[in-house]
Amino acid sequence: DTAVSQTPKYLVTQMGNDKSIKCEQNLGHDTMYWYKQDSKKFLKIMFSYNNKELIINETVPNRFSPKSPDKAHLNLHINSLELGDSAVYFCASSHDRVTGELFFGEGSRLTVL
Amino acid sequence: RKEVEQDPGPFNVPEGATVAFNCTYSNSASQSFFWYRQDCRKEPKLLMSVYSSGNEDGRFTAQLNRASQYISLLIRDSKLSDSATYLCVVNPDYNFNKFYFGSGTKLNVKP
Repeated sequence: DTAVSQTPKYLVTQMGNDKSIKCEQNLGHDTMYWYKQDSKKFLKIMFSYNNKELIINETVPNRFSPKSPDKAHLNLHINSLELGDSAVYFCASSHDRVTGELFFGEGSRLTVL
Repeated sequence: RKEVEQDPGPFNVPEGATVAFNCTYSNSASQSFFWYRQDCRKEPKLLMSVYSSGNEDGRFTAQLNRASQYISLLIRDSKLSDSATYLCVVNPDYNFNKFYFGSGTKLNVKP
């Protein structure tokens, strides 16, 4: 029974398209995150939501729009995809916004052609 | 300057060896520190938190040096299953989990 699940796991698309990645956690956690891991393996935080409220919004192009319909779900929509958006996007959750352990999903590998 | 810097490796060691990784961080106000492990093409998972007094979990020992702004991880009696990338993680924010990840140090344990 997967704790943090993301869909799709793989996504190949053309430049200029719009795509979404969905994330759900069944851990009862209050806080969820989106991280991007690029080809150099750096994991960078993009967004964080605590009980559906946006609490962290790093310097991310506004083509990226997160949405949290409830505290168990955090989706990421990307408009006008660019080559540089190719990466693995990880969703994560934590018990609350300060507890140190993050539980990651398996990642969504996005390739923009 | 990157928030967290690590030697990318790879560190190639035989089974049973002791291996140590270091990581440096730039923000002296950083509050909390962790080591995560990431297997190839998998998600990161928490290995251990790092406390100011140093802490040990089985074969793994983590140390924090606030004055020099570095964190270390020591693995004793390496196992084949320890082969992975080890990510140093620093949180400079007291109010949020605004984690900064290093790019990781790759460890290959050979038979």
